[in-house]
Parts: sequence; C-alpha cells; structure tokens
Amino acid sequence: DAKTTQPPSMDCAEGRAANLPCNHSTISGNEYVYWYRQIHSQGPQYIIHGLKNNETNEMASLIITEDRKSSTLILPHATLRDTAVYYCIVRVASNQGGKLIFGQGTELSVKP
Amino acid sequence: DAGVIQSPRHEVTEMGQEVTLRCKPISGHDYLFWYRQTMMRGLELLIYFNNNVPIDDSGMPEDRFSAKMPNASFSTLKIQPSEPRDSAVYFCASRSAGTSGELFFGEGSRLTVL
Repeated sequence: DAKTTQPPSMDCAEGRAANLPCNHSTISGNEYVYWYRQIHSQGPQYIIHGLKNNETNEMASLIITEDRKSSTLILPHATLRDTAVYYCIVRVASNQGGKLIFGQGTELSVKP
Repeated sequence: DAGVIQSPRHEVTEMGQEVTLRCKPISGHDYLFWYRQTMMRGLELLIYFNNNVPIDDSGMPEDRFSAKMPNASFSTLKIQPSEPRDSAVYFCASRSAGTSGELFFGEGSRLTVL
C-alpha cells in the first residue's frame, strides 16, 4: 500500500472549516483514500473514503486532486469534539486485500 | 449491534505473567484485526484473520505473542511471558468483506506490565 504524508499537527477555530491535507504521490490506480480519526482514549473511527471523485457524508467532505497524488479532508464547521488525530490511509479495495496500515496522522486541535 | 467488544478494558500484571486479551467482533463480519498502540510506535497492525484463518501475522513482534480465532465470534491475543515493553493499548477491529472496507474498532484493552 502507498505511503502517505500528513502534517503532524494543526489548529482550527471552533465553527470554522478544518482542512486537513494528505500527500500520497505514489498511489496506484486501484488504491482508495481512507480517512479515520481517533479521539483520545478511543478506538479509531471511520470518516470517509474515495477513489477519484470528491465525496461527502454527514461527517466530512473528501477532495481528491485530479492526479490523485493528494487529498484534503474538510470538516465544514469544526467543533471542540472534533479534536482528534486524523489518519489518511491509502489501500486497495477491501475485496482485494485486508490490511489497513496507519501512519502518524495529524493531531487536530479545535480551539474555542 | 453492540459493536466490537473487548475485554478486559484494563489489565495490570507483573512481568513474566501470561496475559490473554479477548475480542468479540461484530456479527457477520469476515475479517478481524488486532492492533497495538503506543506513544513511540503509534498504531501497529499485529495480525488479521479472514473467516477465522490467520492471513498475515507479520506484525506479531515475537514468539511470546500468539493469536487465535476458534470461531467467527471470538478471538484471543495471548502474551506469554509478558514484559514491561508490552505495555500498550491493544485494539481489536472487524469488518465485512464488502468494498467499503470500513473498519469498526473496539474500545481497546489497556495493558500495563510492571
């Protein structure tokens, strides 16, 4: 699976959009981009995933560049409860393989 | 569904003792994963199973660690003998074989080896 690069930490003001970048320049054509987050002392939680097109769900939006070498996770209106470590992971579709390998992630601090 | 259930939530033991961590995956899920998390090394994949069969155990640190999945609703991770460096939070996760690949994690078992 391709390696990802994320900034180690970011701050965001409460109520503002949080934009978390991820570089995955070696991504293969059959690899998806997944985002998870881990709130302190809890297990990681799935947020969203995508292949080529931008995706949106009730939690966040995922913007993938046209060359697929980078992506951005957007939390449109960050709250204090969004303070967590956010992991960007690239991997093949789940029906083609089992592993999900976590990197160091981005520690997002949402401040009042 | 109650989600992935792990036990114990906390365990404190002495070096050299055997430790057994337990996991009940979400009913109907085909894959089960064991992860370990420490401050130094982050979240590491130890082993995963598909339909109760171990598929990849390359992350298991050494022979002191073993994992089993005797049936679709139960898995154990055993450390024997335990050492202080095994202190970590151990997470179990499961997912179905669909294309989404969403992994559901338990709340973790925090192990402290004195």
